[in-house]
Amino acid sequence: GQNIDQPTEMTATEGAIVQINCTYQTSGFNGLFWYQQHAGEAPTFLSYNVLDGLEEKGRFSSFLSRSKGYSYLLLKELQMKDSASYLCAVYYDSWGKLQFGAGTQVVVTP
Amino acid sequence: DSGVTQTPKHLITATGQRVTLRCSPRSGDLSVYWYQQSLDQGLQFLIQYYNGEERAKGNILERFSAQQFPDLHSELNLSSLELGDSALYFCASSVAVLAGPHEQYFGPGTRLTVT
Repeated sequence: GQNIDQPTEMTATEGAIVQINCTYQTSGFNGLFWYQQHAGEAPTFLSYNVLDGLEEKGRFSSFLSRSKGYSYLLLKELQMKDSASYLCAVYYDSWGKLQFGAGTQVVVTP
Repeated sequence: DSGVTQTPKHLITATGQRVTLRCSPRSGDLSVYWYQQSLDQGLQFLIQYYNGEERAKGNILERFSAQQFPDLHSELNLSSLELGDSALYFCASSVAVLAGPHEQYFGPGTRLTVT
């Protein structure tokens, strides 16, 4: 499968900003999703990028550079409830086969 | 609440046994996906069905099989269970009317423990 790399863990303070990077193999790329997953719960959709640039959704933004095989998720004004795993997922074919990264555990401290 | 339902929530069974996990997609969604999530493997795509037909296959073992019924609900059958099959099994659904990226909505999962 195609490697999707993201950091294992990041720690940040409440109110701060955190940027989670994701790199992936570009061959066959068809779109990139970010999901949030709290421990033991279902992943929930955060954002979707298929074209280069920044998509903003409230406190969360996601950026994509297709030529570089790079994306990031920006979490602003961090809240304690943002402590979760953030999964980068890449679409590699046209029928829905999502390849997930291992996830980045974000720990928000008071 | 994503609108995707899965039953049962928890399942404890012994090695060598067979279990069936059930998923009902969101109303109107034609595609169903199955994923396995274990602590050391992350979220792994198993299989996708679209309107009753298998569309994509991932890292699904031969001991595992799935189907999607005419009412669009899906079942994942796991047989000859091994300790290593203990994991969270998620079902997701999407519209997927046309080929291409579609947001997938995940169910709450079934936690399978094999003893």
